[in-house]
Amino acid sequence: DTAVSQTPKYLVTQMGNDKSIKCEQNLGHDTMYWYKQDSKKFLKIMFSYNNKELIINETVPNRFSPKSPDKAHLNLHINSLELGDSAVYFCASSLLGGAGTHNEQFFGPGTRLTVL
Amino acid sequence: AQSVTQLGSHVSVSEGALVLLRCNYSSSVPPYLFWYVQYPNQGLQLLLKYTTGATLVKGINGFEAEFKKSETSFHLTKPSAHMSDAAEYFCAVSAGGTSYGKLTFGQGTILTVHP
Repeated sequence: DTAVSQTPKYLVTQMGNDKSIKCEQNLGHDTMYWYKQDSKKFLKIMFSYNNKELIINETVPNRFSPKSPDKAHLNLHINSLELGDSAVYFCASSLLGGAGTHNEQFFGPGTRLTVL
Repeated sequence: AQSVTQLGSHVSVSEGALVLLRCNYSSSVPPYLFWYVQYPNQGLQLLLKYTTGATLVKGINGFEAEFKKSETSFHLTKPSAHMSDAAEYFCAVSAGGTSYGKLTFGQGTILTVHP
């Protein structure tokens, strides 16, 4: 009955490879997010989708491409992996809510990506 | 634009002592403020949040935080630390309904609790 799940939990790969991380939520939320936590534990938003539509797109290399096949899933595909992509990637979900509201974001357990 | 500064990357307290984790924010609009906790190898869990209304907010596990607009602060406190409180704590700010839920996080504070 996991609320927000991510696969894989660990991912070790070589520079230049292409990899994907998957995220699924069973909370009935309409909005999903990808965050990157670097080696210094600094956590920064990358993307957000609401009902399969991209609503937040931070300054992220275009090697990163999110895809949301439906509002319960948000996958992250990374092309031509670089050493600096090594980090923990967290998926989160929430109900977007109306103006003047902010609903809790529920986070997945994270995917630790190591690029060698 | 929003930003968050957490004063002290590491805080160490004795079990039973007061916990105080400091957070200052910058926001061009009335902020929504949050504290999240991250246990080792786990995702983040919401401790408490301030949106509007009462400036002293209570969260889970006995934590509370006070929004002080004049000081642009949202410090997290707990009267008596427990060993299970050892974790990393993140303060975050959002611009509310205009931000599509975008959270801007501080750099985190690791709390160590010793017997």
